[in-house]
Amino acid sequence: AQSVTQLDSQVPVFEEAPVELRCNYSSSVSVYLFWYVQYPNQGLQLLLKYLSGSTLVKGINGFEAEFNKSQTSFHLRKPSVHISDTAEYFCAVSPAGGTSYGKLTFGQGTILTVHP
Amino acid sequence: NAGVMQNPRHLVRRRGQEARLRCSPMKGHSHVYWYRQLPEEGLKFMVYLQKENIIDESGMPKERFSAEFPKEGPSILRIQQVVRGDSAAYFCASSPPSGLAGANSYEQYFGPGTRLTVT
Repeated sequence: AQSVTQLDSQVPVFEEAPVELRCNYSSSVSVYLFWYVQYPNQGLQLLLKYLSGSTLVKGINGFEAEFNKSQTSFHLRKPSVHISDTAEYFCAVSPAGGTSYGKLTFGQGTILTVHP
Repeated sequence: NAGVMQNPRHLVRRRGQEARLRCSPMKGHSHVYWYRQLPEEGLKFMVYLQKENIIDESGMPKERFSAEFPKEGPSILRIQQVVRGDSAAYFCASSPPSGLAGANSYEQYFGPGTRLTVT
């Protein structure tokens, strides 16, 4: 089984400041890692994913994340945020194989609020 | 290429009624997942289906909930005799089959969700 912990439920930040949203996971099997963004009353949009290879992955909208296997973390970062980045962000993992390889386990979400 | 479609977007049911939520996956996608987002909680996996087969229903409540993905037509999540605790947003996601050229079967595309309110 897998579990995901997002360490901050809310993160306020000023526009153009850097931001880091933290995510830790636990799993007894190899996993793939994802970050999704959800704008109010909308579905989820994939920001980026880690499957294998380079531990630093870049996604859409200027976001990036680094996979740290020893710390079982997958923190999301952006060097300079915009007002439009205000949304809820979800970290998720899925088994990297097996019959349920696509089954996503989500963290509780982090609400990012960007202030002018 | 149209995205994942869900309907209705909003559904109001009285206690004891049935709710039917529909999900049309992206074209070419044969895997469908249903997730539930309860107020103040994150998204929870409910069920994973492929055409005409339930692959993993470990997240489905044991009673009143069922899901199907027929050979033709959308996937249906059915909730019988709804209770107030069923009020939530229900999201469907789809992914392509393994081996589909240019596709990443690990990447799920989410629909806009159906917001169920039980009164």
